[in-house]
Amino acid sequence: DAKTTQPPSMDCAEGRAANLPCNHSTISGNEYVYWYRQIHSQGPQYIIHGLKNNETNEMASLIITEDRKSSTLILPHATLRDTAVYYCIVPPGGYQKVTFGTGTKLQVIP
Amino acid sequence: KAGVTQTPRYLIKTRGQQVTLSCSPISGHRSVSWYQQTPGQGLQFLFEYFSETQRNKGNFPGRFSGRQFSNSRSEMNVSTLELGDSALYLCASSLGINRAFTYNEQFFGPGTRLTVL
Repeated sequence: DAKTTQPPSMDCAEGRAANLPCNHSTISGNEYVYWYRQIHSQGPQYIIHGLKNNETNEMASLIITEDRKSSTLILPHATLRDTAVYYCIVPPGGYQKVTFGTGTKLQVIP
Repeated sequence: KAGVTQTPRYLIKTRGQQVTLSCSPISGHRSVSWYQQTPGQGLQFLFEYFSETQRNKGNFPGRFSGRQFSNSRSEMNVSTLELGDSALYLCASSLGINRAFTYNEQFFGPGTRLTVL
């Protein structure tokens, strides 16, 4: 299983870009990288996913390195509502057996 | 479309008791996964049910069990409760397409907060 490593916490000033890194050096060729976030007292919410190309949606952008060993989630203009725990996961073999771990706690500061 | 619902939202039990938690997935979703969330361990996978069968299982003792009904609703049971079982239990539903390298995006419910005294 591809293990992911994320910093436990990060701060970001409101209005600035938040760049959240994730290391997944043992990822296999067909495995995707998924990002979720969990706002306090709620269940995690899907943000974005990618395989090898950079991806963008209305919530965020995902940059995956060419060797696929790491990725960065970018929130272009962080707001206070983006304060949450962000999880980077690589579902093993694409199956649903996924442990989210402890993620990165992002604090957006006014 | 209604989201994932979990009942009850809060529960207080004492050591040695058993508890049953319920999860209703999004309509059309056939896979239901259960997770335990504690401050120290984060979000840990318990098990996944698909078409009334347990398809994946995490590393939890046999006191943790579950089942899924024909309408995809799922229940999770914890017997002989221990203090360490105090946690937020989250349920997530997904389409559950059963194909290699096909992880389906998961939709989480609000969770059930279990406190064991």
